Amino acid sequence: GENVEQHPSTLSVQEGDSAVIKCTYSDSASNYFPWYKQELGKGPQLIIDIRSNVGEKKDQRIAVTLNKTAKHFSLHITETQPEDSAVYFCAARLNSGGSNYKLTFGKGTLLTVNP
Amino acid sequence: ETGVTQTPRHLVMGMTNKKSLKCEQHLGHNAMYWYKQSAKKPLELMFVYSLEERVENNSVPSRFSPECPNSSHLFLHLHTLQPEDSALYLCASSQARSRLDYGYTFGSGTRLTVV
Repeated sequence: GENVEQHPSTLSVQEGDSAVIKCTYSDSASNYFPWYKQELGKGPQLIIDIRSNVGEKKDQRIAVTLNKTAKHFSLHITETQPEDSAVYFCAARLNSGGSNYKLTFGKGTLLTVNP
Repeated sequence: ETGVTQTPRHLVMGMTNKKSLKCEQHLGHNAMYWYKQSAKKPLELMFVYSLEERVENNSVPSRFSPECPNSSHLFLHLHTLQPEDSALYLCASSQARSRLDYGYTFGSGTRLTVV
């Protein structure tokens, strides 16, 4: 099955700095890579995703890059703000024929943005 | 509100109790999931229902019993739990087998404490 590794487990930055979280996956057949943000007391919320036919995607201050050859993808947050503080999860999904439902998650990164 | 509603938000139960967690989605999705989230552990997939049929059961103890009466509702029936079952239980839904699949939508979770 798929295996997703996520680093770092914790990340502390100053407000206004950039933050980068990296993930690697094991199965080259994976084709969909979402990122989730989980704030205290809430469930994970999808913030951005990328499919395997695209190398980069950007949405305002967040961007995701995908390197299919190296099997890794990264989340980039620029101009960080205190409200960006949360746990971030990466995930990967195998393109397994008609059963393309299962996401495999990384262990999460606790991001703290210090004012 | 994400479109996936979980009740109750918090539950404290004794080891001999029987209780149920409820999840309801109003997104028209055809797949629903139960995840367990414990401190310092990755998200653990427990059960998957696709088109109201259980398609995955990840070696979950029999004291957890899922039920999916229709595509909008998912239950997790609990009985004779152990203290180590204390965790945040997350429900998610998705539109599986669709080219427009945008990944999972999570509920806010039920914080379960077993005493």
